[in-house]
Amino acid sequence: DTAVSQTPKYLVTQMGNDKSIKCEQNLGHDTMYWYKQDSKKFLKIMFSYNNKELIINETVPNRFSPKSPDKAHLNLHINSLELGDSAVYFCASSHLEESRNEQYFGPGTRLTVT
Amino acid sequence: GENVEQHPSTLSVQEGDSAVIKCTYSDSASNYFPWYKQELGKGPQLIIDIRSNVGEKKDQRIAVTLNKTAKHFSLHITETQPEDSAVYFCAASWYGNKLTFGGGTRVLVKP
Repeated sequence: DTAVSQTPKYLVTQMGNDKSIKCEQNLGHDTMYWYKQDSKKFLKIMFSYNNKELIINETVPNRFSPKSPDKAHLNLHINSLELGDSAVYFCASSHLEESRNEQYFGPGTRLTVT
Repeated sequence: GENVEQHPSTLSVQEGDSAVIKCTYSDSASNYFPWYKQELGKGPQLIIDIRSNVGEKKDQRIAVTLNKTAKHFSLHITETQPEDSAVYFCAASWYGNKLTFGGGTRVLVKP
């Protein structure tokens, strides 16, 4: 299946821990994104990478560090987790080119910090 | 930065009726306006989009209209079915594919 996939789907951890979420796309896109969806369903972009280079970096605590080993993968590492980090995190991908920049989302990772 | 407002926040319709969701955006430079459908426990699914050089686009029962002068765009769903029940998000983008989302509309189609 061609898609954007994320692992894990659920992540429950304690405050202060470090965790990672992985994302892979096989759509042949050159740009990948991380979005955060809070408890009120509001979706906000966090980061964007194009061909392994950071192109969008919103006001996100530096405890969040994205890493792109290649253009098909974008991982999100979170240090020193806080209660407020609890949310659903979505990975997405697209072409950078404006005429075909439709973004396709993964299934999400629900992070719960206790 | 871009700001997108979406109305209504909830919408209840009878099966077979039409549903309309409206969004306004603030940045006149925005040139791409997608709509996403999110079902419970799933990721947002792109259902239709429109670019600034087009005023209207239709795909079967869904259509989107764009008024660049007024900076608003709308999603129209005709002949609604129970499977149309979901949360719908509008978004706007102008630079680097940075999507700014509206707050979402929870649509309930009653059989």
